[in-house]
Amino acid sequence: GAVVSQHPSRVICKSGTSVKIECRSLDFQATTMFWYRQFPKQSLMLMATSNEGSKATYEQGVEKDKFLINHASLTLSTLTVTSAHPEDSSFYICSAHHRGPETQYFGPGTRLLVL
Amino acid sequence: AQSVTQPDIHITVSEGASLELRCNYSYGATPYLFWYVQSPGQGLQLLLKYFSGDTLVQGIKGFEAEFKRSQSSFNLRKPSVHWSDAAEYFCAVGANGNAGKSTFGDGTTLTVKP
Repeated sequence: GAVVSQHPSRVICKSGTSVKIECRSLDFQATTMFWYRQFPKQSLMLMATSNEGSKATYEQGVEKDKFLINHASLTLSTLTVTSAHPEDSSFYICSAHHRGPETQYFGPGTRLLVL
Repeated sequence: AQSVTQPDIHITVSEGASLELRCNYSYGATPYLFWYVQSPGQGLQLLLKYFSGDTLVQGIKGFEAEFKRSQSSFNLRKPSVHWSDAAEYFCAVGANGNAGKSTFGDGTTLTVKP
């Protein structure tokens, strides 16, 4: 089956630093990946659509300068949280389309804690 | 705009008992519907999906869901729950067949009593 990995699984950083999260499709090529944010006991909120070779498409209310997305290859998308603050602490999950837009596979998530 | 409502925040069932998790959606066209399961600290795993055809959909782990257009519902069922089914369950509706652009419900937490 299709496997999506994320790295790191957990990260703790100081306020003001930047954190990069990687999302990889391990056994398939993904032209489109998605980044979600999930607060404790809440649902997933789509942040942006990551398109290979082009700019990401951000959802309304998501700061593109705060959450930088790069999709440089067909198997890798990165999310960089710039100048992180405690309110950015959350669970970040990526997903990738597989064999068309009708199915997506999720990564295991990255827990970010900003002190 | 599409929306999903999962009326039950938390459900507790005994192991071996049957389960039904409710999901109601709002979408102007034919919906693409999904059920996902999330274990603590993990990503989401697709249980089943409905795009068209037979309104009773079979998924993994013994789950099934029935699409009822007249009720705008897509309830998830399992005839006999196992302790390992304890998790968070999310219903989602996809826009224009794009799973990644799905709108998710708030989730239902399932607790399984021994």
